[in-house]
Amino acid sequence: GAGVSQSPSNKVTEKGKDVELRCDPISGHTALYWYRQRLGQGLEFLIYFQGNSAPDKSGLPSDRFSAERTGESVSTLTIQRTQQEDSAVYLCASSSPGSNQPQHFGDGTRLSIL
Amino acid sequence: AQSVTQLDSHVSVSEGTPVLLRCNYSSSYSPSLFWYVQHPNKGLQLLLKYTSAATLVKGINGFEAEFKKSETSFHLTKPSAHMSDAAEYFCVVSDSRRGYKLIFGSGTRLLVRP
Repeated sequence: GAGVSQSPSNKVTEKGKDVELRCDPISGHTALYWYRQRLGQGLEFLIYFQGNSAPDKSGLPSDRFSAERTGESVSTLTIQRTQQEDSAVYLCASSSPGSNQPQHFGDGTRLSIL
Repeated sequence: AQSVTQLDSHVSVSEGTPVLLRCNYSSSYSPSLFWYVQHPNKGLQLLLKYTSAATLVKGINGFEAEFKKSETSFHLTKPSAHMSDAAEYFCVVSDSRRGYKLIFGSGTRLLVRP
């Protein structure tokens, strides 16, 4: 079956511009996660959606970052007024409901801020 | 707070020889632990997970890991390396209060020499 799909795969933009990243989770997965991976580092948790519950936004690094998800479908991560330190790979994952369910990752969006 | 430490940033082995990737965790409770693999420009794939059942966990592609509470370790092993095993490996622990939140180590890059 189809895995987690992210678009675009690569994005290059100028400092100060807004960017929007998209994630299509696996069908039936109610949980969705966004992570940031800086060069040579592990993943940093950004945000978690579970069904219609309030999202856990505790990992968002600043108020320039926001994410939306409608129901159990597509999610978008928006970064406003991008800065060079926002350059990273942004990974999305989804999972079935329940504790410790394995997270299935997309291939990520590589974001480069000039 | 939970954390994981991957003791080696790079490991190099010859094809056909054993692989050992080391991980130590810090947790005040009985943790859930995972190993993920990331091939270049790809998302992460779950290799195996430990969730307080058997301490020796078998995963995909011939990998296994042993949970040792006395040593707070969760090292990843494979008897015989294959060229296709060359990738980045991440040791991961789940947050004690929010099990969906994964805390990643900094990664170990495995190089396999022909």
